[in-house]
Amino acid sequence: DQQVKQNSPSLSVQEGRISILNCDYTNSMFDYFLWYKKYPAEGPTFLISISSIKDKNEDGRFTVFLNKSAKHLSLHIVPSQPGDSAVYFCAASALPGNTPLVFGKGTRLSVIA
Amino acid sequence: DAGVTQSPTHLIKTRGQHVTLRCSPISGHKSVSWYQQVLGQGPQFIFQYYEKEERGRGNFPDRFSARQFPNYSSELNVNALLLGDSALYLCASSLQGSHEQYFGPGTRLTVT
Repeated sequence: DQQVKQNSPSLSVQEGRISILNCDYTNSMFDYFLWYKKYPAEGPTFLISISSIKDKNEDGRFTVFLNKSAKHLSLHIVPSQPGDSAVYFCAASALPGNTPLVFGKGTRLSVIA
Repeated sequence: DAGVTQSPTHLIKTRGQHVTLRCSPISGHKSVSWYQQVLGQGPQFIFQYYEKEERGRGNFPDRFSARQFPNYSSELNVNALLLGDSALYLCASSLQGSHEQYFGPGTRLTVT
């Protein structure tokens, strides 16, 4: 039973355009959401997060949007760069902090120059 | 500051053997979690430790065990290895009360 779903295994985007990665969740107890980026042979790197009390969080080229009623979040990368090519994982956790992260299966983003 | 470190980087074991994986958290982080990532899947939670006590356990058999030491480093032990235990084992550390976990590079375990 996948509680966090990333339904697109892969995404290809032209350099300079917007990349939109989507994530859906089923557990209404989740209240904190994170995006991680993973290069081959490395561990996941924390990218950006959002609390359920917000609907948007921005950090440079990265913005995460949360729609609680739809149990949906998305990561926007603008403008996309070739170095953004990696696997992106959506993760969720419940209150309080330090609870285990539940991950989706990931989306492989390829940014084409 | 050093990030999360894990050793060894790679490991090849035979079915039935035992393995010990090691992790050192980021300085100041007292919580350590272990995850297993198999090909094509996201990381799956195995254990969480805080202040040397187990605070959470995922859906893994009793062959998996872990501990945390006074310096907050941690070990993951797997007994009676099966082919299906072949995976990337990730360690993550976090500050008390924080949702954000910071991962090490992982240990790639291959069971033959």
